[in-house]
Amino acid sequence: DVKVTQSSRYLVKRTGEKVFLECVQDMDHENMFWYRQDPGLGLRLIYFSYDVKMKEKGDIPEGYSVSREKKERFSLILESASTNQTSMYLCASSFGGTMNTEAFFGQGTRLTVV
Amino acid sequence: QKEVEQNSGPLSVPEGAIASLNCTYSDRVSQSFFWYRQYSGKSPELIMSIYSNGDKEDGRFTAQLNKASQYVSLLIRDSQPSDSATYLCAVNPPGSARQLTFGSGTQLTVLP
Repeated sequence: DVKVTQSSRYLVKRTGEKVFLECVQDMDHENMFWYRQDPGLGLRLIYFSYDVKMKEKGDIPEGYSVSREKKERFSLILESASTNQTSMYLCASSFGGTMNTEAFFGQGTRLTVV
Repeated sequence: QKEVEQNSGPLSVPEGAIASLNCTYSDRVSQSFFWYRQYSGKSPELIMSIYSNGDKEDGRFTAQLNKASQYVSLLIRDSQPSDSATYLCAVNPPGSARQLTFGSGTQLTVLP
């Protein structure tokens, strides 16, 4: 089975802190994604990566950055956390190529910024 | 117009009935379609994928795709209370081979 593991299930951070969310997948997937999910807004793509050291902006990249130094690990960084970044953060991964692009999700990190 | 649209619900069905969940998408050349189930407070879990017109069955779940009408649906037969969840439709839009675009989800409640 595909396993996508996020480093924390719950996090509470203070405004202005730098926050790191880590994600690791064990299926040698090329593609990795970070989404946030908010009530009424659904899943929104923040960033994705299709290869080591490669990254592309999603729909809402502002206030976030990412890092992919190893194929299995994709990190989301909140440079200076703000209360409007309180959300559920979901990491996902998928195989490369143009088909069979089903994504598998980690368990999610519920981040609260106070 | 949203790229992927679903009725937000809530949709309620009695136990044992067929639940029908619908999804429309805006781009005719989309290739891949997926249904995810998400329990409250949990992450989405893939339950069905479909790539060709017609029906695809897996246990109590049937996915239906009609590319001409830009419509994909999920039928859940013999619905159980454990099927109560939010169901997300996801589409692989053209020019974004690696990404999925998600609908906002339909909340399903199966009443015992």
